[in-house]
Amino acid sequence: DTGVSQDPRHKITKRGQNVTFRCDPISEHNRLYWYRQTLGQGPEFLTYFQNEAQLEKSRLLSDRFSAERPKGSFSTLEIQRTEQGDSAMYLCASSFREKNTEAFFGQGTRLTVV
Amino acid sequence: AQSVTQLDSQVPVFEEAPVELRCNYSSSVSVYLFWYVQYPNQGLQLLLKYLSGSTLVKGINGFEAEFNKSQTSFHLRKPSVHISDTAEYFCAVGFAGGTSYGKLTFGQGTILTVHP
Repeated sequence: DTGVSQDPRHKITKRGQNVTFRCDPISEHNRLYWYRQTLGQGPEFLTYFQNEAQLEKSRLLSDRFSAERPKGSFSTLEIQRTEQGDSAMYLCASSFREKNTEAFFGQGTRLTVV
Repeated sequence: AQSVTQLDSQVPVFEEAPVELRCNYSSSVSVYLFWYVQYPNQGLQLLLKYLSGSTLVKGINGFEAEFNKSQTSFHLRKPSVHISDTAEYFCAVGFAGGTSYGKLTFGQGTILTVHP
């Protein structure tokens, strides 16, 4: 068990470009969550999956954001036409629904939009 | 809807002194409560959680917290801190009626700085 893995750890992009982040959850975990954390704030919930189904999306997830979990394993979060306000740490977490465990977080992807 | 207020944005203490980080929550439904720690440029690590039962919860690294339903508080305490406890601490709540503890509402964080 290597924990939740996120790639890349850091991403610098120019405004208007598209970016994609990847999250690999703990292998037996069927729930996967995305959070966004801006400087000086706590993480804010964006969306979550149970297996491949996206069950909930926050109002924070504008139509420029899309998340997928095609085979119920890894997940991707894409941001189209990035804006400076998208600069943040994007955190992924996973949990195992049937065991009702807490969520385990990855180390995050820090996005800087210049 | 739930909300979390961490009453102190920064807490400076000297090594080996006790510390308390305060957390109040608001919710119209039963909640689960958590404390996470975050080191610079790292993800979140769970310190402890309250799901049910005893209101005094013990976690890792010598931390403990007490759930007080009447005061809607979940304060984090440690009797003697170390330099290595310097980090940001987040209080979080989850909806107890759900079947997962992963969807959480976080407070804004408290930066604990331990001085030698």
